[in-house]
Order: sequence, then structure tokens, then C-alpha cells
Amino acid sequence: AQSVTQLDSQVPVFEEAPVELRCNYSSSVSVYLFWYVQYPNQGLQLLLKYLSGSTLVKGINGFEAEFNKSQTSFHLRKPSVHISDTAEYFCAVSGRGSTLGRLYFGRGTQLTVWP
Amino acid sequence: NAGVTQTPKFQVLKTGQSMTLQCAQDMNHNSMYWYRQDPGMGLRLIYYSASEGTTDKGEVPNGYNVSRLNKREFSLRLESAAPSQTSVYFCASNQDKALYNEQFFGPGTRLTVL
Repeated sequence: AQSVTQLDSQVPVFEEAPVELRCNYSSSVSVYLFWYVQYPNQGLQLLLKYLSGSTLVKGINGFEAEFNKSQTSFHLRKPSVHISDTAEYFCAVSGRGSTLGRLYFGRGTQLTVWP
Repeated sequence: NAGVTQTPKFQVLKTGQSMTLQCAQDMNHNSMYWYRQDPGMGLRLIYYSASEGTTDKGEVPNGYNVSRLNKREFSLRLESAAPSQTSVYFCASNQDKALYNEQFFGPGTRLTVL
């Protein structure tokens, strides 16, 4: 089975500052990795995903994440945040080769961007 | 193409009442899922269905039942609601055996049990 740890439950930052949201996973098999974003009172939306190939993955809204196999991490970064980035962010993992696309989610990180 | 739709958006129940949450997807996906989201807990899987006619328990199935009515629809039933079931419920779907396992989510149902 897989599991995900999001190390920070809340991350407050000022507008235009850089941000990193941390995610570590554990798995006995190779994985696919995802970041989802949830804006207030909305469903989850895919931000980016790592399937294979380049370890640096770019997503929507200027976000990127880097897959680090040795550290079993998939941290999310943005060089300059906007107030509109205020949302909850979820890291998720799925085992490669599984016949069912089951995702295992972290507990989420609330990003709050202040003016 | 509506994606994943859920009804109702909001619901208030009294303890002991029953209700069914509806979910439908129009993406021809084989797999469907029900999650609950509670503050600080992330998303926890209640039940899933790998294909029409099959369902399996997830992490937190107690107090719930599901029905995969057809390929499009997957409903979640609370037979006797309890305050501990106050939560936001999300339905999701994806194509099993795909190259990757991205799930597509509905907008959620916010349920309060008094």
C-alpha cells in the first residue's frame, strides 16, 4: 500500500513571496504522484502530475513540483504567489501497475496568501 | 460534457434519517469512488467500484452502502444518519488500467447531521 505525509497543515505567506508545500510518500512499488488544489467551497482540481521522465513537472497557474526518488518526496513550489492561490492543496500517490486507479491522499496543506 | 455531477449540493438531516447521495459521470469511466472530507483528515475513501456491478470497501465504510446502478451512476446511501457523518462528500471517477490514475472529482455534497 501507499501513504502520503504532508508535513505542514498550514502555510501562510505574503503575496509575491515564494512558497514550497512539502509532500513525502511511502510505497513498496513505483508510483505516480499528483497535486490537487481545492478552492473554497469547490471540488478538487488537478494541479500537476508526475508519471515518468523528467523529475521536474510543471502544472497550471505557475506551479511546479520535483520528484525526488531517493528522498521519496514530491514538493510543490511557486516562485511568486498571488492572493488567488489561497486554497487547500492535496498531495496524492498511486501505485504503478495497480489495476484500479486508487489514490492515497495526504491530509492537505492550507495555503493562505496575505496582501 | 459535464464531467462528474453530484446531487444534492447541501443537505441537513436529523439523526436516524436516511438519504441517498447521487453521482453520475459522462466520461465513460469504469471506476468510481466515494470520499468524505473532514477538517485535518484529508480525503478518506468510503467505497469504490472498479466496474459496473462491483463494489468494494475503502478505509471508512461503516454506516454507508453503495450501489453501482450502471456505468454512469454510483450512489451512496446513509441508512441511519449519525452526527459523525457530518462531512463533505466527494464522488470521483477514472479509467482503470489507464497509463496513469488521475481522478476527476465532482463538486461535493455538504451534509450536516443534527
